[in-house]
Amino acid sequence: EAQVTQNPRYLITVTGKKLTVTCSQNMNHEYMSWYRQDPGLGLRQIYYSMNVEVTDKGDVPEGYKVSRKEKRNFPLILESPSPNQTSLYFCASSFRAGQGIYGYTFGSGTRLTVV
Amino acid sequence: SQQGEEDPQALSIQEGENATMNCSYKTSINNLQWYRQNSGRGLVHLILIRSNEREKHSGRLRVTLDTSKKSSSLLITASRAADTASYFCATDAQSGYSTLTFGKGTMLLVSP
Repeated sequence: EAQVTQNPRYLITVTGKKLTVTCSQNMNHEYMSWYRQDPGLGLRQIYYSMNVEVTDKGDVPEGYKVSRKEKRNFPLILESPSPNQTSLYFCASSFRAGQGIYGYTFGSGTRLTVV
Repeated sequence: SQQGEEDPQALSIQEGENATMNCSYKTSINNLQWYRQNSGRGLVHLILIRSNEREKHSGRLRVTLDTSKKSSSLLITASRAADTASYFCATDAQSGYSTLTFGKGTMLLVSP
């Protein structure tokens, strides 16, 4: 089944304790992206990757890191989480054709609480 | 930056009625997409319309695009309770970095 798998689904952590949210896709998509979703603010892009070893900042990259060493994996790293990073996180992947980004496949989400 | 803005923010209808949601955006686009999200779950891609298309259908969904007005509408015909969800438009802008920018969504409630 074509899918984007995120882990964990739920995570409660303490301020400053490094964490990684994993994301893996099995569709051979070049393009992968991370979003956070907050009430009243919608989905905001954190980082994206157009292919292996190619990553770039989205609208809200502060406090996050990513890496793309393999095509299928795109982990999101919070080196020193803070309470304002409490949010619902989504990973998504897509293929690209020409200048267009086509339909995203989203993961099921990771609900992160930082206390 | 928020590119698309949906209108209305919330919509409540009865089963069998049609639901119309609108999206306005600011810059030229390659394509515009609509997604559905059920209560905190992952978003599901519904339909994509390219900038050179004016209307597209998929089952009970009809999407229109007016690039001169920078607006799109999503029509769901003969709504069902299972259509209850939030609906988002997303735009793939022609300029700037490669990304889909989402609006804040329309929350649709379909009552039996």
